[in-house]
Amino acid sequence: KNEVEQSPQNLTAQEGEFITINCSYSVGISALHWLQQHPGGGIVSLFMLSSGKKKHGRLIATINIQEKHSSLHITASHPRDSAVYICAVGADSNYQLIWGAGTKLIIKP
Amino acid sequence: DGGITQSPKYLFRKEGQNVTLSCEQNLNHDAMYWYRQDPGQGLRLIYYSQIVNDFQKGDIAEGYSVSREKKESFPLTVTSAQKNPTAFYLCASSDTRDYLSLDFGEGSWLTVV
Repeated sequence: KNEVEQSPQNLTAQEGEFITINCSYSVGISALHWLQQHPGGGIVSLFMLSSGKKKHGRLIATINIQEKHSSLHITASHPRDSAVYICAVGADSNYQLIWGAGTKLIIKP
Repeated sequence: DGGITQSPKYLFRKEGQNVTLSCEQNLNHDAMYWYRQDPGQGLRLIYYSQIVNDFQKGDIAEGYSVSREKKESFPLTVTSAQKNPTAFYLCASSDTRDYLSLDFGEGSWLTVV
C-alpha cells in the first residue's frame, strides 16, 4: 500500500462544478503540500499546510491530522483549472517528501 | 526573475548512449533534487544534493549519475546502465531550512529510440 493515496485518479467535470480531490496518508508528517502540474509538465506549489484550512482565490485546502486526510477543493471550476494535482507529505521521520500519484482533472467548457 | 532552468526540454537517446540533462538555478538554494516521473506514478527521487561537492542517492539512483561542482548547477547523466530511461525528469531546489518548499524546473522529456 502506498504511503500517500490520492483519489480519484481521474476526474472530468463541467465548467462551474465544485471539485474535490482527496489525499490520505499513513505516516507521521510535518506538513502536507498540494501542487499543480501543467499539461506541459511544469509544477507549481499551491498550498503547504500542517493544520486547518487555507484559501487562495477559488482554491481551498483542508487537512485533518487525526484522520490523516487532506482535501483540495476548487469552486466555480474553469477549463484553465485542467491539470494534474499532486499531494506530497513531508515525513517527520526522515525529512523527505513522499509523493502521491496525482489526480488528473479535466474541466469541460 | 529567479528560477530553475532545465534543458533540453525534449531529448532522444539511442540505446547504449549516455545523455546529460542540465539544471541551473539562480534562487541561491543550497539543496537540489532530481525526480523521475512515469505515467500514473508519483515522483521518485533519483539524487539530491544539500551542499556543493556532496550528493546522496535517492530511491532509484541505479543507472544515473550527478555532480554538484557549483551551487547553481546539478546536471544529471542518464547512463546506458539505466534499463528503462524513457520518462519525464524534473529538477527542483529548496532552501535546506525549508525542505518542503520546492521550486521546480519545467522538466525534460527523455525518449529512447
